[in-house]
Amino acid sequence: DSGVTQTPKHLITATGQRVTLRCSPRSGDLSVYWYQQSLDQGLQFLIQYYNGEERAKGNILERFSAQQFPDLHSELNLSSLELGDSALYFCASSVGGSLYNEQFFGPGTRLTVL
Amino acid sequence: AQSVSQHNHHVILSEAASLELGCNYSYGGTVNLFWYVQYPGQHLQLLLKYFSGDPLVKGIKGFEAEFIKSKFSFNLRKPSVQWSDTAEYFCAVIPTMEYGNKLVFGAGTILRVKS
Repeated sequence: DSGVTQTPKHLITATGQRVTLRCSPRSGDLSVYWYQQSLDQGLQFLIQYYNGEERAKGNILERFSAQQFPDLHSELNLSSLELGDSALYFCASSVGGSLYNEQFFGPGTRLTVL
Repeated sequence: AQSVSQHNHHVILSEAASLELGCNYSYGGTVNLFWYVQYPGQHLQLLLKYFSGDPLVKGIKGFEAEFIKSKFSFNLRKPSVQWSDTAEYFCAVIPTMEYGNKLVFGAGTILRVKS
């Protein structure tokens, strides 16, 4: 157990819908990262938040957005869902804001878009 | 395109065999390198990392990796695998800032160790 929790574990929804994925970092970690793992794209970095502020942005679509709240949990919002958004979404956390800090990964949320 | 390549998607070995998983990257300049492992049903976890210094890095569970700058490689090795090493292994790179501030993963190699 890494100490990072993600809810829900599984999510099944339809095209065009909007979903919210939630991540709680390890106690004391200020950074949260979001990743998408799909069969065709592999594991891709989406976005990083550090202490409530966006720190780095990767291959995140405009239909996706994220935020980190004062209690440091983070939510990833996916809207206008398409079939291709079906993937495993991982959250990770680290103590500091630098990518050189070790990241601890959560178990992931498996999203299926029908 | 800049990338991280893991050449073998599936590797099957018998217990006690030696392991070498390839990882090559295409970013120039100074990079920082990682190997992560995901055991069945578990979360990704860090095996080892290289930032600077001795290019031969030792990680957890008897794994090591060697950074060869001239070959843009960071191959993972283990002299004698165990059934419990069955997992998916990911190489990852933090490239220099000009390529963006992010951790770039390879496609992963699934290792199955036969007992």
